[in-house]
Amino acid sequence: SYVLTQPPSVSVAPGQTARITCGGNNIGSKSVHWYQRKPGQAPVVVVYDDSDRPSGIPERFSGSNSGNTATLTISRVEGGDEADYYCQVWDSSSDHSTVVFGGGTKLTVL
Amino acid sequence: EVHLVESGGGLVKAGGSLRLSCAASGFTFNTYSMNWVRQAPGKGLEWVSSITSSSSYIYYADSVKGRFTISRDNAKNSLYLQINSLRAEDTAVYFCARDLGLRNTVTLDYWGQGTLVTVSS
Repeated sequence: SYVLTQPPSVSVAPGQTARITCGGNNIGSKSVHWYQRKPGQAPVVVVYDDSDRPSGIPERFSGSNSGNTATLTISRVEGGDEADYYCQVWDSSSDHSTVVFGGGTKLTVL
Repeated sequence: EVHLVESGGGLVKAGGSLRLSCAASGFTFNTYSMNWVRQAPGKGLEWVSSITSSSSYIYYADSVKGRFTISRDNAKNSLYLQINSLRAEDTAVYFCARDLGLRNTVTLDYWGQGTLVTVSS
């Protein structure tokens, strides 16, 4: 089965840039989506299809995907960005198709 | 405005069954694929199951195959998850989520608030 690997935690000071990686075998050939999950709230998609941003999501959130690594970049980080972030793909490479999530990365704003 | 509201969670003994429901509104339900995703306490998001708009294609995670059954009633704008032979490791918040509908992928653009399933031994 397809595996997505994320760092457990990333810490950044307010106003700096946070980069959260998502590793997977030839992930650059897949469409990657990123979700933000705050305690007690439903997950929210912040970047989809590698680099597209839903309406209402600040331009500070951006994504890229190439080779074996996809990256979520959050510029000018704010305290309200503190949350768990998950990458996700649709894997149809095996005999049955599945949605795959990364293990999640806890973003701490120092 | 899109709304997804889950119900049916609760405390159940191991080996028991539950039926979760998700009521959808604010969009044309019968044109979207739908999904169930869960999150166990202290763990990450785990996809459970997907169903296409007309129920033609259904997919399950290996961890639930044979015990969980996803279904939908487009006339009632509702999504369901029948959970049988419950285990302690099924304890989680269960979310229903809509698939945006991009080609060759699954993108979960709207989520409900979730319903908690607790399995006791």
